[in-house]
Amino acid sequence: KQEVTQIPAALSVPEGENLVLNCSFTDSAIYNLQWFRQDPGKGLTSLLLIQSSQREQTSGRLNASLDKSSGRSTLYIAASQPGDSATYLCAVHGSSNTGKLIFGQGTTLQVKP
Amino acid sequence: DVKVTQSSRYLVKRTGEKVFLECVQDMDHENMFWYRQDPGLGLRLIYFSYDVKMKEKGDIPEGYSVSREKKERFSLILESASTNQTSMYLCASSQLTGFTEAFFGQGTRLTVV
Repeated sequence: KQEVTQIPAALSVPEGENLVLNCSFTDSAIYNLQWFRQDPGKGLTSLLLIQSSQREQTSGRLNASLDKSSGRSTLYIAASQPGDSATYLCAVHGSSNTGKLIFGQGTTLQVKP
Repeated sequence: DVKVTQSSRYLVKRTGEKVFLECVQDMDHENMFWYRQDPGLGLRLIYFSYDVKMKEKGDIPEGYSVSREKKERFSLILESASTNQTSMYLCASSQLTGFTEAFFGQGTRLTVV
């Protein structure tokens, strides 16, 4: 059974710092991996989708990488800002491509001014 | 701009009531999903649908049913609401094939008293 783990559960950094959020999964047979942002009490906003054939995706200050063989993904945030404070979730789409997502527990990020 | 819209942000219902949560997407997606999110348990899949009138159970379907009469609309039904169904409910949609990025609604915070 696929399991997704995100470490650390919480992270606090000063503004301007570059940071890396980690996501690991137990079954490397995934269809793709998606990173989301969630603000308190709100829904999920899609940040990046990495297809299984890709190694990384970039959007603005965000860069996500995928290493299927080791079961790992990282989300790199450059020059962090207080507005980046949120919970970041990674989710894997299983190999059968039913579209079902299996989520990690998330990393709650606080960027201090 | 893609959109998944949930009918209510907040709901308060009484134990035993029949509750309907509605979700509409404007992206012509085949897949639609209902998740619930609870502290410490993360997001868990309740039901999903990959076509009109089709439905499949997720990980925690007990106490819930769904309806998909039109492609753009997916309803979650709590047949007889109970206090342990107090939760954040999130609807999502995605394409069936290809670039299967999932998009989420803003969430419905349901409180059963």
